[in-house]
Amino acid sequence: NAGVTQTPKFRVLKTGQSMTLLCAQDMNHEYMYWYRQDPGMGLRLIHYSVGEGTTAKGEVPDGYNVSRLKKQNFLLGLESAAPSQTSVYFCASSPVEPWAGNEQFFGPGTRLTVL
Amino acid sequence: KQEVTQIPAALSVPEGENLVLNCSFTDSAIYNLQWFRQDPGKGLTSLLLIQSSQREQTSGRLNASLDKSSGRSTLYIAASQPGDSATYLCAVKGSGNTPLVFGKGTRLSVIA
Repeated sequence: NAGVTQTPKFRVLKTGQSMTLLCAQDMNHEYMYWYRQDPGMGLRLIHYSVGEGTTAKGEVPDGYNVSRLKKQNFLLGLESAAPSQTSVYFCASSPVEPWAGNEQFFGPGTRLTVL
Repeated sequence: KQEVTQIPAALSVPEGENLVLNCSFTDSAIYNLQWFRQDPGKGLTSLLLIQSSQREQTSGRLNASLDKSSGRSTLYIAASQPGDSATYLCAVKGSGNTPLVFGKGTRLSVIA
């Protein structure tokens, strides 16, 4: 199993450009999450999904959109990138609670710089 | 709103020492608590998961304890090694669809 994979690993954007980050998991997990990690701020949840076709806002959703068209994929979109969105983005997935313990598994991250 | 605090923010110890990392949370109504390790430039690796009904979990040289009533968890690392150098993150989960809430981590350096 590959676990949780993220594409791309690195990206540099100019202000106003758009892009999509792709997350894929092969563990048949229902729940998927997008986080951003900034120095001194810790990990903050952007959006999450509790199943195919569902999405919900996390702590810092503004400026981002997400889609979960297939169970194994969770896409994070930036429509008009801003320098404040420079960060490392992590995707995670977890099985359905409660019997599976809801342990979260993380991808390797995408380092995004917005100039 | 759940808040998770990890103290200290950074810790440097000589190889071979036993050490304790602390995590505290403000809302004791948690579903579980998870400890992660993060190496520089890498993603998070789950170390231990403690359900709310459990008091501790062990994996090799790692032991995590949970005291829900006092809102505290500790991660004990025995006989530390330079390879243990990393940032250790604590995260708590409430019931239902509530997401994980993370602490800011403790950056550990084990000096050979």
